[in-house]
Amino acid sequence: EAQVTQNPRYLITVTGKKLTVTCSQNMNHEYMSWYRQDPGLGLRQIYYSMNVEVTDKGDVPEGYKVSRKEKRNFPLILESPSPNQTSLYFCASRQTGQGNGYTFGSGTRLTVV
Amino acid sequence: AQRVTQPEKLLSVFKGAPVELKCNYSYSGSPELFWYVQYSRQRLQLLLRHISRESIKGFTADLNKGETSFHLKKPFAQEEDSAMYYCALSGNYGGSQGNLIFGKGTKLSVKP
Repeated sequence: EAQVTQNPRYLITVTGKKLTVTCSQNMNHEYMSWYRQDPGLGLRQIYYSMNVEVTDKGDVPEGYKVSRKEKRNFPLILESPSPNQTSLYFCASRQTGQGNGYTFGSGTRLTVV
Repeated sequence: AQRVTQPEKLLSVFKGAPVELKCNYSYSGSPELFWYVQYSRQRLQLLLRHISRESIKGFTADLNKGETSFHLKKPFAQEEDSAMYYCALSGNYGGSQGNLIFGKGTKLSVKP
């Protein structure tokens, strides 16, 4: 089944403790992206990647890092999480070509205390 | 700069009433427009794309370049349509222009 898989689904952590949210897709998509979803603010892009070893900042990159060493994986790294990073995170991937929308993962609900 | 505006945070209608979810965009080139739907506690799902001019679950959306709009419409709302709806824009392909920018979303509530 074609899908985007995120792990973990839920995570509670403490301020300052480094964490990684993994994202993997099995559709050989070039584009991958991370979004955070907050009430009243909709979806805001954190980072995106156009292909292996090519990443760029989205609208809200502060406090996050990403890497794209392989086409299928696009992990999101929080080196020193803070409470304002408590949010619902979505990973998504997309095939190049006109009309192709993103396929989204199930989301990761992160709470930083 | 690319921008997507959904002016209504919440839209409440009765079952059987027509629905129109507004979306306006700002983009200097030829955009691609999409509608995504998010049912409670679920992932976002692609609902419509302007390029295919399709009708999904009774919803349609027409790209109006003159008004820079891509409103989502359904003639008769159903209770199961209650969800968050996001309009999204992508520029022409190549480099960062293949990226998707989302509006802030409109919550549709269909009452019995």
